[in-house]
Amino acid sequence: EPEVTQTPSHQVTQMGQEVILRCVPISNHLYFYWYRQILGQKVEFLVSFYNNEISEKSEIFDDQFSVERPDGSNFTLKIRSTKLEDSAMYFCASSEGQGLYEQYFGPGTRLTVT
Amino acid sequence: DAKTTQPNSMESNEEEPVHLPCNHSTISGTDYIHWYRQLPSQGPEYVIHGLTSNVNNRMASLAIAEDRKSSTLILHRATLRDAAVYYCILSGSFTGGGNKLTFGTGTQLKVEL
Repeated sequence: EPEVTQTPSHQVTQMGQEVILRCVPISNHLYFYWYRQILGQKVEFLVSFYNNEISEKSEIFDDQFSVERPDGSNFTLKIRSTKLEDSAMYFCASSEGQGLYEQYFGPGTRLTVT
Repeated sequence: DAKTTQPNSMESNEEEPVHLPCNHSTISGTDYIHWYRQLPSQGPEYVIHGLTSNVNNRMASLAIAEDRKSSTLILHRATLRDAAVYYCILSGSFTGGGNKLTFGTGTQLKVEL
């Protein structure tokens, strides 16, 4: 069964550094998402991406965040200058279509900012 | 977004059916009811969705009240592998460019031998 993959599984970085989290969505999917989950808290929506542009973003997704689909397979989340409060599990998801189409989630990248 | 209310936790014995309730009294006419679950240390996983009629798939059944103000996810025979947090999420059928999922705190299901 096709699956969403994410790399790395764990990223440790120092405050102020840039990080790029990578995701390979399912190949025929057109809609891409990033969510995050701070330890012990809810899963929170960050951004959705379709047709090479952001379609929706949350208040969390400020100017420090950006997303890109640099080629036909990867989908990346960049945090320009990490803060301690960015420490969380980051999940990538993809779906074949919008609306009723189920979202398939990756296993997540644990980001630790020290 | 319309709000959902779920119990914080529930317990079940293995091989027994489990009924996970969800209240959504402010649901709109176009909101679909989605269920996802999150196993320990994993990303969320789609379970089932429905609008008005009861739905069945290989994982579970979804029973929707006639007034749509509540729904119940039914696991017919719980196994240890079903121990997870179950999320009931409302989402409109069409939003431009995707469909964000708004997760609540969900119901932690514990399954015992």
